[in-house]
Amino acid sequence: NAGVTQTPKFRVLKTGQSMTLLCAQDMNHEYMYWYRQDPGMGLRLIHYSVGEGTTAKGEVPDGYNVSRLKKQNFLLGLESAAPSQTSVYFCASRFIMNTEAFFGQGTRLTVV
Amino acid sequence: KQEVTQIPAALSVPEGENLVLNCSFTDSAIYNLQWFRQDPGKGLTSLLLIQSSQREQTSGRLNASLDKSSGRSTLYIAASQPGDSATYLCAVLGWGGGADGLTFGKGTHLIIQP
Repeated sequence: NAGVTQTPKFRVLKTGQSMTLLCAQDMNHEYMYWYRQDPGMGLRLIHYSVGEGTTAKGEVPDGYNVSRLKKQNFLLGLESAAPSQTSVYFCASRFIMNTEAFFGQGTRLTVV
Repeated sequence: KQEVTQIPAALSVPEGENLVLNCSFTDSAIYNLQWFRQDPGKGLTSLLLIQSSQREQTSGRLNASLDKSSGRSTLYIAASQPGDSATYLCAVLGWGGGADGLTFGKGTHLIIQP
């Protein structure tokens, strides 16, 4: 059972470049989330999805877009990367609201 | 807006000691509270999930309590081992608001000295 898998694990981007982070879960979970983790700031919610075809904004959505075309996948896009988006990104999923959340291993993104 | 605070921010103890990590939250309207462990450069590993109607949960040497009315949770680690060294994160899932995600504390960085 793979759980929550994030691709890629590391990436370096130049300012203005675009990229997509992929999150895949094999647990048939309805809810999926993207967080970023920064020193001194903790984990903050970027966007989330409560089911296939749905997305919603979290605490820090600016500069990011998401899509959930398939239930098992949640994509996070950066259209024009900025140095402020240098961070570690985590994907998470849960079956329904009152169940345990599971996290991926993270993607370390550096924007230069 | 929910705020989660973890005290202490860092803790270093000798192997074998029993220890308590603290978590407080400002809004008692929560679905549940979850404790995680994060090793350096790694993802978050779920340790315990306490539903809002529960008072405590146990897993091995770990025991987590929840006092929703006072906005507090504690994680008790018995007979600490060097392998317990990690950052421990507390997170709450709230009822209200548009974001159905966890609100995290900034963590307690724990070092167990051999």
